[in-house]
Amino acid sequence: AQSVAQPEDQVNVAEGNPLTVKCTYSVSGNPYLFWYVQYPNRGLQFLLKYITGDNLVKGSYGFEAEFNKSQTSFHLKKPSALVSDSALYFCAVRDGGTASKLTFGTGTRLQVTL
Amino acid sequence: KAGVTQTPRYLIKTRGQQVTLSCSPISGHRSVSWYQQTPGQGLQFLFEYFSETQRNKGNFPGRFSGRQFSNSRSEMNVSTLELGDSALYLCASSLREGRIETQYFGPGTRLLVL
Repeated sequence: AQSVAQPEDQVNVAEGNPLTVKCTYSVSGNPYLFWYVQYPNRGLQFLLKYITGDNLVKGSYGFEAEFNKSQTSFHLKKPSALVSDSALYFCAVRDGGTASKLTFGTGTRLQVTL
Repeated sequence: KAGVTQTPRYLIKTRGQQVTLSCSPISGHRSVSWYQQTPGQGLQFLFEYFSETQRNKGNFPGRFSGRQFSNSRSEMNVSTLELGDSALYLCASSLREGRIETQYFGPGTRLLVL
């Protein structure tokens, strides 16, 4: 079965500093990976996805993610964090055998402080 | 384009009652998926509908059911509510873009069972 792991419950970073939110995956076959963000009392917002090709994927709001096949990782990054980036971030993998089912990680809370 | 809409946004029910939640997908999207989000279990896939047919189903009891209409709008129903059904229920609509579909989520319906 496909799975993703987010090893950190919370990440703290100062505004202006680079941020990284970690995700590792386990899949059989080609990995289709996603990042979503959730603000309080809101649904999930799509940030970016990896299908194939370039290992650096650019997404919304200045976020990017680095795909590393040898380390089975798909870390979310941003060069300069903003206080408004504080939210809950989810990594997800598409289930290989079905059309749309996503399996999510447990989420990482990002706290950006001044 | 308008995003995914879900109604109602908040709901309070008592044990034993039943509830129906509604989801209107993004215009042109034919696939609708439902997820349950709880603090303990995280995000879990309920089911997916495509062209009025259930295409995939998660590991939830038969009390959870859904349907999709010809205009792609979807409803999910939970019968004989239990306290553990208290959760944020998220609907996502998707469209195939290239190799795979990307899911776009609504704001969710927060259900509280007393």
